[in-house]
Amino acid sequence: EVQLVDSAGGLVQPGGSLSLSCAASGFTVSSNYMSWVRQAPGKGLEWVSAIYANGRTYYADSVKGRFTISRHISKNTLYLQMNSLRSEDTALYYCARHSPADIGVDAFDIWGLGTMVTVSS
Amino acid sequence: DIVMTQSPDSLAVSLGETATINCRSSQTLLHTSNNKNSLAWYQQKPGQPPKLLIYWASTRESGVPDRFSGSGSGTDFTLTISSLLAEDVAVYYCHQYYSTPYTFGQGTKLEIK
Repeated sequence: EVQLVDSAGGLVQPGGSLSLSCAASGFTVSSNYMSWVRQAPGKGLEWVSAIYANGRTYYADSVKGRFTISRHISKNTLYLQMNSLRSEDTALYYCARHSPADIGVDAFDIWGLGTMVTVSS
Repeated sequence: DIVMTQSPDSLAVSLGETATINCRSSQTLLHTSNNKNSLAWYQQKPGQPPKLLIYWASTRESGVPDRFSGSGSGTDFTLTISSLLAEDVAVYYCHQYYSTPYTFGQGTKLEIK
């Protein structure tokens, strides 16, 4: 079965760090385009970061320089290292797969269940 | 950045009737190379992750009922849900994957009248 399993989130103080992981089954993370999308409580969806099959990475301006997306090939897992966390980073973080496309980027066809990150003192 | 604007923010439709949600992008989402629009629609129910309904503006994802249809091109797009069922109550989002930063509409909350 094709699925994404998120790690547990957590409570972290402002300025702190947290690492999220997302284990894939049924497909290979490194062969696909993958993204992190977040949703603040009661709010809409916000794209955070992407990593393409060729290894290129992209970030929303709101997290650039603070968050790092990566993947582990043998563990077939996607990661998001979050540093210098702020209260506005509080959200449910989803990992998502871009649907395999012949050319270019496609929509998000597989989503994890999400992991809650709370930034508060 | 491409701004995605949905309308309305919420709507109430009677069971069996048709719901129409609009989405406008601040820039074209049409690739002239393949004549495809990088526009997707998602359905999100409470406590669940988003579910892909439509991609390339009008292609239905596998397993999605044909009551759901997408249309439009360039900057104006529409999601149509016909023969509305109680299970269709959800928030619907449009999403552009034409260029980074990928962006979403603010969401449209669909309720039963």
